[in-house]
Amino acid sequence: AQSVAQPEDQVNVAEGNPLTVKCTYSVSGNPYLFWYVQYPNRGLQFLLKYITGDNLVKGSYGFEAEFNKSQTSFHLKKPSALVSDSALYFCAVRDRGNNRLAFGKGNQVVVIP
Amino acid sequence: KAGVTQTPRYLIKTRGQQVTLSCSPISGHRSVSWYQQTPGQGLQFLFEYFSETQRNKGNFPGRFSGRQFSNSRSEMNVSTLELGDSALYLCASSLTDGSNEQFFGPGTRLTVL
Repeated sequence: AQSVAQPEDQVNVAEGNPLTVKCTYSVSGNPYLFWYVQYPNRGLQFLLKYITGDNLVKGSYGFEAEFNKSQTSFHLKKPSALVSDSALYFCAVRDRGNNRLAFGKGNQVVVIP
Repeated sequence: KAGVTQTPRYLIKTRGQQVTLSCSPISGHRSVSWYQQTPGQGLQFLFEYFSETQRNKGNFPGRFSGRQFSNSRSEMNVSTLELGDSALYLCASSLTDGSNEQFFGPGTRLTVL
């Protein structure tokens, strides 16, 4: 069965520093990979996705993620974090073979001014 | 385009009762998924519907059921409510159930007393 691991419960980063949120996945086939963000008191919003092609994917709000097939990872990155990036981030994987979708437990990101 | 709408937004029930939650997807979207979000368990996948057919199901007991209508609107039903069913229930829609990202509604906050 497909699964997603987001190993850190909370990521603390100083404003202006690089931000990385880690995600590893397990699927039986090839994956579609997604990142979503949930701001306080707001619904989940789509950030970016990997379908095929270039392993580096660019998304909303200056975020990007790199698909690494050998390490089965899809880490989310932002070169310079903003206080407004403080939110809950979810990684998700869909197995192209059986079409099943799984979300990680989420990572709380706290950007310190 | 209007976003995903969910009704009601808040609900208070007592143990043993049943509840029905409603979700209207974005116009043109044929896939609807349901999730349970709690602080301890994160985002848990309930089920996914596509063109009125349940395509995927998470690991929830049979008390949780759903359906999708011909206009893509979906309902989720929970029977014999338990205290542990208190959660935010999120609905998400997408064009299809493959590589497309999901658009989430604001959720229904269910409290079971």
